[in-house]
Formats: sequence, structure tokens, C-alpha cells
Amino acid sequence: DSGVTQTPKHLITATGQRVTLRCSPRSGDLSVYWYQQSLDQGLQFLIQYYNGEERAKGNILERFSAQQFPDLHSELNLSSLELGDSALYFCASKERVNTGELFFGEGSRLTVL
Amino acid sequence: AQKITQTQPGMFVQEKEAVTLDCTYDTSDQSYGLFWYKQPSSGEMIFLIYQGSYDEQNATEGRYSLNFQKARKSANLVISASQLGDSAMYFCAMRERSLQGGSEKLVFGKGTKLTVNP
Repeated sequence: DSGVTQTPKHLITATGQRVTLRCSPRSGDLSVYWYQQSLDQGLQFLIQYYNGEERAKGNILERFSAQQFPDLHSELNLSSLELGDSALYFCASKERVNTGELFFGEGSRLTVL
Repeated sequence: AQKITQTQPGMFVQEKEAVTLDCTYDTSDQSYGLFWYKQPSSGEMIFLIYQGSYDEQNATEGRYSLNFQKARKSANLVISASQLGDSAMYFCAMRERSLQGGSEKLVFGKGTKLTVNP
């Protein structure tokens, strides 16, 4: 158990819909990262937050947005969903000072029909 | 931009034998970190081992060791005494630091699927 909690574990929805994925980082970790894992793209970095502020942005679509709340949990919002958004979405957290190792949650598997 | 290359889409090994999973990287940074993660069929990402660019010794964690060859920019994972439970996807990753804002993230390779045969 990495200590990172993600909900829901599975989600099935239709094209055009909107979903919210939730992540609670490990106790004491200030950084939260979101990654998307699809079959053809591998693990792609989406966005990072540190103590409530956006720190880095990767290949995140404009239809996607994220935020980190004062209690450090984070949400990834996916809107106007398309079939190609079907993927495993990971949240990860990192200690303030360490090797840079990320601790991953179990992921949220999104299926868009 | 930094890049991680894993050239073996799939590997097979007999139980109790050792196996090497290849990883090469490309970076112009002097300070960097290399990681290996395991992803079993259940989907979670499990951290295995870390190697810092300034570490003189190859990293080891139990049955896992990292064969770090800095001049060749390779960071191969060696699994000794393979077990059936080692069957999984294995990802090599590198820490990438941004010059702006001091942020850093992990950049992943495409992965290698390891199958351990009884």
C-alpha cells in the first residue's frame, strides 16, 4: 500500500460526459502528480501541483483540468469525454525532500463508451 | 527534451534464472535520477529501485539491482532468481527537472513485459 488513495477505481461513462477523479496523497506529501496511461501512449504526465499551486503542465488537454485543495487532496476533471480518453489515470505524490521517487495510487480506470 | 528507451517489448525467463531488462536514456543534465517501476496485471505502479547520477555504486534492493553505465547512458534492471510473481510490466523512468519553477517529474519509457515461465 503506497498510501496514495484514488477514487473511483473504475468508471464507465458515455461520450460527451464529465467525470471527476479524486486523489488523496500520502500524509505529509505536498506534491501531487497526475499521469494518464493508455495502451498506445504509455504513461504520460498530465499535471503537477505543489501545496495547492500548479507547478508543471504536461500533455494535458484543454478539456481536462485539475486542482489541489487546502487539505492537499486533488481532483482531475475530465469533460466532453471522447472514446480516446479511456485510460488508466494515476495520481502520485512525492516527499518534499528525497530522491524524487513517486508513490502511485492504484489508479482510476476510465472507460468511455 | 529527455528521453527513455526500452527496446524490449517483451521478455521471457525461466523461473529461478536471472533476467536483464534494458533501459537507455538521453539527457544533457549532470544531475539526474533513474527509477524502475513494476506494474502487475492488477495495474498498480510499484517502485523497485533508484539510481542517482552521482552514485558510484550500482543500486541494489533485494533481488533487484541496477546496472548503471553512465558513459553509455544505460540503466538496466537485473532481476535475480526470477519468481512467477515477477511477471509484470516493468518501466524505466528518469527524473526531469524544469528550469522554470523548479518543478520535476518522472518521464517513463514504454515498458517491457516480463513473463516468468515455470
